[in-house]
Order: sequence, then structure tokens, then C-alpha cells
Amino acid sequence: GAVVSQHPSWVICKSGTSVKIECRSLDFQATTMFWYRQFPKQSLMLMATSNEGSKATYEQGVEKDKFLINHASLTLSTLTVTSAHPEDSSFYICSARENRRMYSNQPQHFGDGTRLSIL
Amino acid sequence: AQKVTQAQTEISVVEKEDVTLDCVYETRDTTYYLFWYKQPPSGELVFLIRRNSFDEQNEISGRYSWNFQKSTSSFNFTITASQVVDSAVYFCALSNDYKLSFGAGTTVTVRA
Repeated sequence: GAVVSQHPSWVICKSGTSVKIECRSLDFQATTMFWYRQFPKQSLMLMATSNEGSKATYEQGVEKDKFLINHASLTLSTLTVTSAHPEDSSFYICSARENRRMYSNQPQHFGDGTRLSIL
Repeated sequence: AQKVTQAQTEISVVEKEDVTLDCVYETRDTTYYLFWYKQPPSGELVFLIRRNSFDEQNEISGRYSWNFQKSTSSFNFTITASQVVDSAVYFCALSNDYKLSFGAGTTVTVRA
């Protein structure tokens, strides 16, 4: 149980392109999903918290207009990297927590990540 | 503010050796949760364990064991009789509401 599917797993595209990454909870509902970014040999840094039916909450230093997040349903959140440039190349990974009582600290279940390479 | 420190950047061992990964955390909250995740070379994150701040019992799961000591704010992880498949980056993480704060990770390499 508790499977999170992330798609695509690998993207290579030209500078200036916008790229959309999908994160789906396959067998549970997730009011809250999280988007992380990981540079090579570094830790995961939380970018934003995606809330179903409302605006995402961005961490300090993350550009809202660059990284658009939409959480339209209880099983799907999308991250769109707009007008991507080489410095946006990274490993992006989403997670989802089962829809139980708020702040229940259920473990986050992670997608397999998306490797984004901007040429 | 919360912080997780994994002082060991890389550990290399020979198969069948034991390896202990250190994790020290900082938080002002009395209620919090600690996690360990494994990230193999393929990149996905694998959940290993969650421990709440009120449960200091040590835990063993197969070759994995965890030692939680609140007095020293540590949550160490030991792999017994390591295998090549244990080679991965291991992250310790802390949550006191619902956001996870990750440590820098420790890369474990197990040589045959």
C-alpha cells in the first residue's frame, strides 16, 4: 500500500521550455503533498507544500512564479518548472502523506523522483 | 527551528561488517518524530522507520537496528552484517509538525 507515482522519471529539454511533473497517490488520498529538490550529493530541500484546493506554501527562497504547483484533487499534484534554464537542472521528488487527521505525522511516501536536465 | 546533523559523509565497509550511522537532532518541541530513509543509486527514497519522541525503546528489524537516546538527542542506525545491497545514501529526518527536515545524508558503500 501507500504508493506514490511520479511522472516523468527523466526529462531532457531545451532552455526556455516549461516542464510539468506529476505526482499521484495511487491507493490513498493525500490532502497534502510535498515537493523537494535534490542537487547531486546533497540532501533533499523542501521547496513547497502542496495543499488540495488551495494555494501552495513555498519555502523561503523558492520562486513561486518559476515553480508553479497545482493540487487539483486528493490524488494529484503537479509541479511546473516554467521557462526552465540549466540552473534548474536537478532531481525533483514529491511525497504524499495519507489523509488522516491533521498533523498526525504519518510517514511521507515518496515518488521515485524526476531527473530534469535543461540543455 | 529544527536541525538534523549527520556528521559522517561517507562510510566504506567490507561485506559482513557492521556499520553505525550517527544522527543528532535539534528541536525545541517536546513532540516530534524521527525518521530514517534509504536512497539507493536509482534515486527513490525508501522509508525505513519512524519513531516518536515519547518512545525511546530501541528497535530491531532484521539486520537493522535503531538506538534512540533523548538525553543526547541522537537517533543512530546500525546495519549488522552489511551486504552489498545496503550500499546507498541514508538520510535521518525530523518532523515536529508535518514538514520533514533532512540531514545531509551518509553514503554507505559496502564492498564485496
